Amino acid sequence: DGGITQSPKYLFRKEGQNVTLSCEQNLNHDAMYWYRQDPGQGLRLIYYSQIVNDFQKGDIAEGYSVSREKKESFPLTVTSAQKNPTAFYLCASSIGGTGLSNQPQHFGDGTRLSIL
Amino acid sequence: AQTVTQSQPEMSVQEAETVTLSCTYDTSESDYYLFWYKQPPSRQMILVIRQEAYKQQNATENRFSVNFQKAAKSFSLKISDSQLGDAAMYFCAYRMWRGAQKLVFGQGTRLTINP
Repeated sequence: DGGITQSPKYLFRKEGQNVTLSCEQNLNHDAMYWYRQDPGQGLRLIYYSQIVNDFQKGDIAEGYSVSREKKESFPLTVTSAQKNPTAFYLCASSIGGTGLSNQPQHFGDGTRLSIL
Repeated sequence: AQTVTQSQPEMSVQEAETVTLSCTYDTSESDYYLFWYKQPPSRQMILVIRQEAYKQQNATENRFSVNFQKAAKSFSLKISDSQLGDAAMYFCAYRMWRGAQKLVFGQGTRLTINP
Protein backbone atom coordinates (compact mmCIF):
# COMPACT_ATOMS: atom_id res chain seq x y z
CA ASP A 1 0.00 0.00 0.00
CA GLY A 2 1.17 3.53 -0.73
CA GLY A 3 1.91 5.83 2.11
CA ILE A 4 4.37 7.94 4.06
CA THR A 5 6.89 6.39 6.41
CA GLN A 6 8.53 8.42 9.14
CA SER A 7 11.36 7.09 11.24
CA PRO A 8 12.23 6.78 13.97
CA LYS A 9 9.02 6.95 15.97
CA TYR A 10 10.88 8.30 19.00
CA LEU A 11 14.16 10.19 18.99
CA PHE A 12 16.29 11.67 21.72
CA ARG A 13 18.78 14.46 21.23
CA LYS A 14 21.68 15.47 23.41
CA GLU A 15 22.74 19.06 23.84
CA GLY A 16 24.75 20.32 20.87
CA GLN A 17 23.82 17.36 18.70
CA ASN A 18 22.24 17.40 15.24
CA VAL A 19 19.62 14.75 14.54
CA THR A 20 17.90 13.77 11.31
CA LEU A 21 14.30 12.67 10.93
CA SER A 22 13.50 10.50 7.97
CA CYS A 23 10.46 10.84 5.71
CA GLU A 24 9.86 8.54 2.73
CA GLN A 25 6.80 8.37 0.48
CA ASN A 26 5.80 5.96 -2.27
CA LEU A 27 2.77 7.91 -3.45
CA ASN A 28 4.63 9.51 -6.36
CA HIS A 29 3.79 12.91 -4.91
CA ASP A 30 5.73 15.95 -6.06
CA ALA A 31 5.35 18.04 -2.92
CA MET A 32 6.48 17.26 0.60
CA TYR A 33 6.19 19.15 3.88
CA TRP A 34 7.47 19.17 7.45
CA TYR A 35 5.30 20.39 10.32
CA ARG A 36 5.99 20.81 13.99
CA GLN A 37 3.30 20.23 16.62
CA ASP A 38 3.70 21.40 20.20
CA PRO A 39 1.38 20.12 22.97
CA GLY A 40 -2.13 21.45 22.65
CA GLN A 41 -1.31 23.42 19.54
CA GLY A 42 -1.85 23.20 15.84
CA LEU A 43 0.73 22.31 13.23
CA ARG A 44 3.27 24.88 12.08
CA LEU A 45 5.14 24.61 8.79
CA ILE A 46 8.91 24.21 8.99
CA TYR A 47 9.94 23.59 5.37
CA TYR A 48 8.31 22.45 2.18
CA SER A 49 9.43 21.23 -1.21
CA GLN A 50 7.36 21.43 -4.36
CA ILE A 51 9.81 19.58 -6.58
CA VAL A 52 13.05 17.65 -6.37
CA ASN A 53 16.16 19.76 -5.63
CA ASP A 54 14.06 22.70 -4.49
CA PHE A 55 12.66 23.67 -1.09
CA GLN A 56 11.40 26.75 0.74
CA LYS A 57 11.31 27.92 4.33
CA GLY A 58 8.06 27.79 6.18
CA ASP A 59 7.03 29.81 9.20
CA ILE A 60 9.51 28.36 11.71
CA ALA A 61 12.58 27.27 9.70
CA GLU A 62 15.25 28.60 12.07
CA GLY A 63 17.35 25.78 13.53
CA TYR A 64 16.22 23.26 10.91
CA SER A 65 17.56 22.14 7.53
CA VAL A 66 16.25 19.88 4.77
CA SER A 67 17.26 18.33 1.48
CA ARG A 68 15.28 16.96 -1.45
CA GLU A 69 17.64 14.91 -3.59
CA LYS A 70 15.04 12.29 -4.45
CA LYS A 71 11.33 12.57 -5.10
CA GLU A 72 10.58 9.95 -2.46
CA SER A 73 12.63 11.40 0.37
CA PHE A 74 12.57 14.65 2.39
CA PRO A 75 14.74 14.33 5.51
CA LEU A 76 14.66 16.99 8.22
CA THR A 77 17.73 17.82 10.31
CA VAL A 78 17.20 19.44 13.68
CA THR A 79 20.41 21.33 14.34
CA SER A 80 21.96 22.42 17.61
CA ALA A 81 20.78 25.94 16.77
CA GLN A 82 17.21 24.83 17.51
CA LYS A 83 17.09 25.55 21.23
CA ASN A 84 13.68 24.07 21.91
CA PRO A 85 13.38 21.01 19.67
CA THR A 86 11.09 18.94 21.88
CA ALA A 87 7.94 18.43 19.81
CA PHE A 88 6.04 16.06 17.56
CA TYR A 89 7.14 16.26 13.93
CA LEU A 90 4.85 15.35 11.06
CA CYS A 91 5.80 14.85 7.44
CA ALA A 92 3.23 15.18 4.68
CA SER A 93 3.03 14.96 0.90
CA SER A 94 0.62 16.08 -1.79
CA ILE A 95 0.14 15.21 -5.42
CA GLY A 96 0.89 18.54 -7.04
CA GLY A 97 3.62 21.10 -6.67
CA THR A 98 2.04 24.30 -7.82
CA GLY A 99 -0.76 22.97 -10.00
CA LEU A 100 -4.45 23.18 -9.31
CA SER A 101 -5.56 20.25 -7.24
CA ASN A 102 -8.13 19.62 -4.61
CA GLN A 103 -6.29 16.56 -3.37
CA PRO A 104 -5.41 16.79 0.29
CA GLN A 105 -2.10 16.26 1.97
CA HIS A 106 -1.31 12.79 3.26
CA PHE A 107 0.49 12.54 6.58
CA GLY A 108 2.97 10.15 8.13
CA ASP A 109 2.63 8.84 11.68
CA GLY A 110 5.10 11.33 13.11
CA THR A 111 8.31 11.37 15.13
CA ARG A 112 8.43 12.48 18.73
CA LEU A 113 11.70 14.26 19.51
CA SER A 114 12.85 14.85 23.07
CA ILE A 115 15.92 16.40 24.69
CA LEU A 116 18.06 14.20 26.93
CA ALA B 1 -0.79 36.16 5.58
CA GLN B 2 -3.64 33.76 6.06
CA THR B 3 -4.70 32.81 9.58
CA VAL B 4 -7.08 30.20 10.95
CA THR B 5 -8.75 30.47 14.35
CA GLN B 6 -10.54 27.81 16.35
CA SER B 7 -12.04 29.49 19.38
CA GLN B 8 -13.10 26.34 21.22
CA PRO B 9 -10.12 24.59 22.82
CA GLU B 10 -12.38 21.81 24.13
CA MET B 11 -15.87 20.50 23.42
CA SER B 12 -17.83 17.57 24.74
CA VAL B 13 -20.98 15.84 23.56
CA GLN B 14 -23.12 12.91 24.56
CA GLU B 15 -22.87 9.84 22.41
CA ALA B 16 -25.44 9.86 19.56
CA GLU B 17 -25.97 13.60 19.77
CA THR B 18 -24.80 16.36 17.43
CA VAL B 19 -21.92 18.74 17.97
CA THR B 20 -20.59 21.69 15.96
CA LEU B 21 -16.98 22.82 15.96
CA SER B 22 -16.22 26.39 14.93
CA CYS B 23 -13.52 27.74 12.64
CA THR B 24 -12.91 31.19 11.22
CA TYR B 25 -10.17 32.24 8.85
CA ASP B 26 -8.72 35.35 7.34
CA THR B 27 -7.63 35.66 3.73
CA SER B 28 -7.71 38.19 0.93
CA GLU B 29 -7.99 35.44 -1.68
CA SER B 30 -11.28 34.61 -3.37
CA ASP B 31 -10.44 31.01 -4.22
CA TYR B 32 -9.00 28.53 -1.75
CA TYR B 33 -9.60 25.20 -0.05
CA LEU B 34 -10.66 24.44 3.50
CA PHE B 35 -10.19 21.17 5.34
CA TRP B 36 -11.05 19.51 8.61
CA TYR B 37 -8.53 16.99 9.90
CA LYS B 38 -8.97 14.62 12.83
CA GLN B 39 -6.07 13.61 15.08
CA PRO B 40 -6.93 10.70 17.41
CA PRO B 41 -4.66 9.71 20.33
CA SER B 42 -2.51 7.78 17.85
CA ARG B 43 -1.47 11.24 16.52
CA GLN B 44 -2.20 10.26 12.91
CA MET B 45 -3.75 13.09 10.86
CA ILE B 46 -6.90 11.91 9.10
CA LEU B 47 -8.80 13.97 6.56
CA VAL B 48 -12.44 14.37 7.56
CA ILE B 49 -13.86 16.67 4.92
CA ARG B 50 -12.82 19.30 2.35
CA GLN B 51 -14.51 22.32 0.78
CA GLU B 52 -13.62 24.31 -2.31
CA ALA B 53 -14.37 27.99 -1.77
CA TYR B 54 -15.97 28.40 -5.19
CA LYS B 55 -18.62 25.81 -4.35
CA GLN B 56 -21.70 27.21 -2.64
CA GLN B 57 -22.94 23.79 -1.64
CA ASN B 58 -21.72 22.63 1.74
CA ALA B 59 -19.63 19.46 1.71
CA THR B 60 -20.96 16.31 3.38
CA GLU B 61 -19.26 13.02 4.23
CA ASN B 62 -21.60 10.59 5.96
CA ARG B 63 -22.12 11.92 9.52
CA PHE B 64 -19.84 14.90 8.92
CA SER B 65 -20.98 18.11 7.26
CA VAL B 66 -19.78 21.69 7.09
CA ASN B 67 -21.44 25.07 7.21
CA PHE B 68 -19.35 27.22 4.89
CA GLN B 69 -20.12 30.93 5.10
CA LYS B 70 -17.71 32.59 2.66
CA ALA B 71 -18.66 36.18 3.38
CA ALA B 72 -18.27 35.63 7.11
CA LYS B 73 -15.10 33.53 6.56
CA SER B 74 -16.54 30.80 8.70
CA PHE B 75 -16.18 27.05 8.25
CA SER B 76 -17.81 25.00 11.00
CA LEU B 77 -17.92 21.20 11.24
CA LYS B 78 -21.06 19.39 12.33
CA ILE B 79 -20.81 15.82 13.57
CA SER B 80 -24.13 14.02 13.74
CA ASP B 81 -24.87 10.87 15.77
CA SER B 82 -21.57 11.22 17.63
CA GLN B 83 -19.69 8.00 18.26
CA LEU B 84 -16.99 7.13 20.78
CA GLY B 85 -14.52 6.82 17.91
CA ASP B 86 -15.04 10.47 17.06
CA ALA B 87 -13.09 11.51 20.14
CA ALA B 88 -10.00 13.34 18.90
CA MET B 89 -8.37 16.68 18.24
CA TYR B 90 -9.96 18.39 15.26
CA PHE B 91 -8.02 20.85 13.16
CA CYS B 92 -9.35 23.30 10.64
CA ALA B 93 -6.92 24.12 7.81
CA TYR B 94 -6.68 26.55 4.90
CA ARG B 95 -4.87 26.12 1.61
CA MET B 96 -4.37 28.51 -1.28
CA TRP B 97 -6.02 27.77 -4.62
CA ARG B 98 -2.84 28.23 -6.60
CA GLY B 99 0.80 27.96 -5.75
CA ALA B 100 2.30 26.00 -2.92
CA GLN B 101 -0.13 23.58 -1.34
CA LYS B 102 1.01 24.21 2.20
CA LEU B 103 -1.62 24.17 4.90
CA VAL B 104 -2.30 26.80 7.56
CA PHE B 105 -3.79 25.17 10.65
CA GLY B 106 -5.94 26.39 13.49
CA GLN B 107 -5.03 25.63 17.09
CA GLY B 108 -7.36 22.65 17.30
CA THR B 109 -10.43 21.62 19.30
CA ARG B 110 -10.32 18.60 21.58
CA LEU B 111 -13.60 16.70 21.29
CA THR B 112 -14.70 14.36 24.06
CA ILE B 113 -17.58 11.93 23.59
CA ASN B 114 -19.47 11.03 26.78
CA PRO B 115 -21.06 7.55 26.78
